[in-house]
Amino acid sequence: EPEVTQTPSHQVTQMGQEVILRCVPISNHLYFYWYRQILGQKVEFLVSFYNNEISEKSEIFDDQFSVERPDGSNFTLKIRSTKLEDSAMYFCASGGTGRPEAFFGQGTRLTVV
Amino acid sequence: TQLLEQSPQFLSIQEGENLTVYCNSSSVFSSLQWYRQEPGEGPVLLVTVVTGGEVKKLKRLTFQFGDARKDSSLHITAAQPGDTGLYLCGRDQFYFGTGTSLTVIP
Repeated sequence: EPEVTQTPSHQVTQMGQEVILRCVPISNHLYFYWYRQILGQKVEFLVSFYNNEISEKSEIFDDQFSVERPDGSNFTLKIRSTKLEDSAMYFCASGGTGRPEAFFGQGTRLTVV
Repeated sequence: TQLLEQSPQFLSIQEGENLTVYCNSSSVFSSLQWYRQEPGEGPVLLVTVVTGGEVKKLKRLTFQFGDARKDSSLHITAAQPGDTGLYLCGRDQFYFGTGTSLTVIP
C-alpha cells in the first residue's frame, strides 16, 4: 500500500541552525501538506502546496519556514534558524485530486537544544 | 481560527463497553475526517464524511455526520484494547480538534 515517508525520523539540532525535513509523498498525489504537533497538543496546519506553489499557509508559517519540491518525488520543509519552541513532531501529508482527505507520514521528531 | 471541539478529552473504559466521541464546530464543514493516532506516529485516516446525515461504518466503528454538517460523532461498539489511541477529527485538511484519548482496559 502506498505511503508517505519522512526522513529523518528524529533530528536534534542546536538553536539557530537550519534544518531540512524531507518527505516523499504518495506518487500520484498532487496536494502536499506540512503540519506540526507539539508534545501533548493538537495537530497544527503549517502549509499546503499545489501545482508547485503554496496554496495556503497558517500564521505559524512565517519567514523562518519555506517549502520546496526540488524534484518529482521529494517535498521539503526548511526552518532557517531554529528556536527552542520549534521542537515538535512535524508531519508531512499528501492528498489526491478530487479527494478531500490527506494521508500522513510517520513524522520527524525535531528537538532544538 | 476555525475551532473544532472534541469531547470527551479523555476516556478510559473496560473492554467490551461501547463509547461515543464527539466533534463540534460553530461553522459548516465541507468535509470531515476522523483519524486515529498512536504515540510517536502519524495520524491514520479512518474515514471521510461529506454529506449531511451521512453514516459510515468501519467494522465496529460507526461515524455520523450531522445534518447541518457542523458536528460529527464516532461510536465504537464492544471496544477492544487495540482501539486505544488518540482520535482526531479534522476538517478540510487545515483544522484539527484536540483529540479524544481513549484507553481500553483489558
